[in-house]
Amino acid sequence: DIQMTQSPSSLSASVGDRVTIRCRASQSISNYLSWYQQMPGKAPKLLIFSASILQSDVPTRFSGSGSGTDFSLTFSSLRPEDSATYYCQQTYSSPWTFGQGTKVEIK
Amino acid sequence: EVQLVESGGDVVRPGGSLRLSCAASGFRFGDFGMSWVRQAPGKGLEWVSGINWEGSSTSYADSVKGRVTISRDNAKNSLYLQMNSLRAEDTGLYYCARDLISMAGSIDHWGQGTGVTVSS
Repeated sequence: DIQMTQSPSSLSASVGDRVTIRCRASQSISNYLSWYQQMPGKAPKLLIFSASILQSDVPTRFSGSGSGTDFSLTFSSLRPEDSATYYCQQTYSSPWTFGQGTKVEIK
Repeated sequence: EVQLVESGGDVVRPGGSLRLSCAASGFRFGDFGMSWVRQAPGKGLEWVSGINWEGSSTSYADSVKGRVTISRDNAKNSLYLQMNSLRAEDTGLYYCARDLISMAGSIDHWGQGTGVTVSS
């Protein structure tokens, strides 16, 4: 199975900061990478698929990049409502696997 | 509006069985692959199982393979997860989820989840 490793596990940043979360796959997954946001007590929400395609209705301050084994999710300007846990997921090879999550907190 | 409503979660003893159901509405159910994803209390997401649009192809996480069966009834707009030989580590919130039509496994809609507790 393909292992997905996110870094950092948590971070604290200020409103307006540019923030990047990273995700590394244990083998090449081309661009079969999705990012999700999960608010406490809520179901996850798809932000990005195919590594860089923004899902409809997702704010443009979110962006994704990468291919092969290294990927990133960037917040161009952090907002208070971005406080959540973020997960990457590979859909290159079944079983699809998630990263362990990155908790983003606002200072 | 896409809606996915799970049911069937319960408290069950180790070794027991449960059948989870998901009622889908607001879209052409038979056009989409579907998945089950779970989340243990305070933990991250774990993809459990997936099925293609017509039910001819299924896949499972290693942690549940041989104990779990995913199925669907397109005439009833319903998705199912039969869970046998349940273990304490199967405890969690189980989400029914719709795959992107263009990318199997990438999930664009989620239900609110149904809780499974495996405990003696």
